[in-house]
Amino acid sequence: QPQLQESGPGLAKPSETLSLSCTVSGGSISSSNYYWHWIRQPPGKGLEWIGNIYYSGTTYYNPSLKSRVTMSVDTSENQFSLKLSSLTAADTAVYYCVMSSSWYHFQHWGQGTLVTVSS
Amino acid sequence: QSALTQPPSASGSPGQSVTISCTGTSSDVGGYNYVSWYQHHPGKAPKVMIYEVSKRPSGVPDRFSGSKSANTASLTVSGLQAEDEAYYYCCSYADSNNLVFGGGTKLTVL
Repeated sequence: QPQLQESGPGLAKPSETLSLSCTVSGGSISSSNYYWHWIRQPPGKGLEWIGNIYYSGTTYYNPSLKSRVTMSVDTSENQFSLKLSSLTAADTAVYYCVMSSSWYHFQHWGQGTLVTVSS
Repeated sequence: QSALTQPPSASGSPGQSVTISCTGTSSDVGGYNYVSWYQHHPGKAPKVMIYEVSKRPSGVPDRFSGSKSANTASLTVSGLQAEDEAYYYCCSYADSNNLVFGGGTKLTVL
């Protein structure tokens, strides 16, 4: 069973850029069998798909976040990463990294990491 | 505001059946057979219960079933058990390489 673990700052400042990483065990970032997604959940609200990345580096982003999102893979560390720029309080959320053999649904989730945007 | 519309709450007694709806448009739910459902116990990672409208991953009880008609997808939980109490979210592929979620439904087992 694959395991995923998010890491990053629990607190970020408005207007700055958030950087999160997801370390994967039990599955290779370099595999053509998987897609790597980021999903978030603001407090008291529903889930929101941020985007995904394939081993080749091909990315797809939520149109509502596209201008602020960058995803990348690090094959040497078996990690993938999320950068979200121009932060506001509305970006406060639990951020999940997800591994899936499908583009269209989400199979293996990390436990999530809470990021609070506040000065 | 979420792209897909779910009722905020649903409930049923143990052993009963409950159905949760997920309404979208022809640009998402109605246009593609890529609807999935997730069970979320607060503080834990969400778990996929249904994918591609009606397929169940291995290990998910057959008490959980999914269907779709036009722009509305549905998740039915039969033979309700206490451990089914959780939040349930639908998700659909949408035009232009997007994935959209519903706002979530809190299922209470009475």
